[in-house]
Amino acid sequence: SAVISQKPSRDICQRGTSLTIQCQVDSQVTMMFWYRQQPGQSLTLIATANQGSEATYESGFVIDKFPISRPNLTFSTLTVSNMSPEDSSIYLCSVEDPGEAFFGQGTRLTVV
Amino acid sequence: KQEVTQIPAALSVPEGENLVLNCSFTDSAIYNLQWFRQDPGKGLTSLLLIQSSQREQTSGRLNASLDKSSGRSTLYIAASQPGDSATYLCAVRLSQGGSEKLVFGKGTKLTVNP
Repeated sequence: SAVISQKPSRDICQRGTSLTIQCQVDSQVTMMFWYRQQPGQSLTLIATANQGSEATYESGFVIDKFPISRPNLTFSTLTVSNMSPEDSSIYLCSVEDPGEAFFGQGTRLTVV
Repeated sequence: KQEVTQIPAALSVPEGENLVLNCSFTDSAIYNLQWFRQDPGKGLTSLLLIQSSQREQTSGRLNASLDKSSGRSTLYIAASQPGDSATYLCAVRLSQGGSEKLVFGKGTKLTVNP
């Protein structure tokens, strides 16, 4: 199984600012996935990040709000831009190996 | 549209009790189903993966079953311990828009009291 390191583990941010979340995997993977878990809700896929191409965003998520980088096969970042209190969630990075999903420790974001 | 439902939303049991968590899904055309554990404010830990052709999987005190035709899965936890306290999520993998996607339930929050 893949080992995924995600940081920061938590942060409290001012509205209007941006936060970049990092995800490092211990093996090379083709696709990395970013999810959001709002309080009391299930996980929702934000986007799929492929190395060497633009990320694919799900309905309701846009690149200007959630820009993603994927510079190599073991690393990705997700930025939450121009944050508002509604962005307060747990953000999770995931990889698949294959057909089985593995997750990082999550980033608990609170926007004040 | 695939929907995944987990009942109950919360469950509190005394230590040592055997328990069953339920997961139901509306579309039986799934590739597999995965059970996860999530501690408060943390990421997900994979517990068991059941392929669509399988009926059950076991790992230690955990046993997961799958009845694809009826759209149901159960996670059985034997001899529960306080350390089992967490939220348990199920997710189904299916084809959506030309790619595979995971659809999650909202989870069952389990508390095991010493």
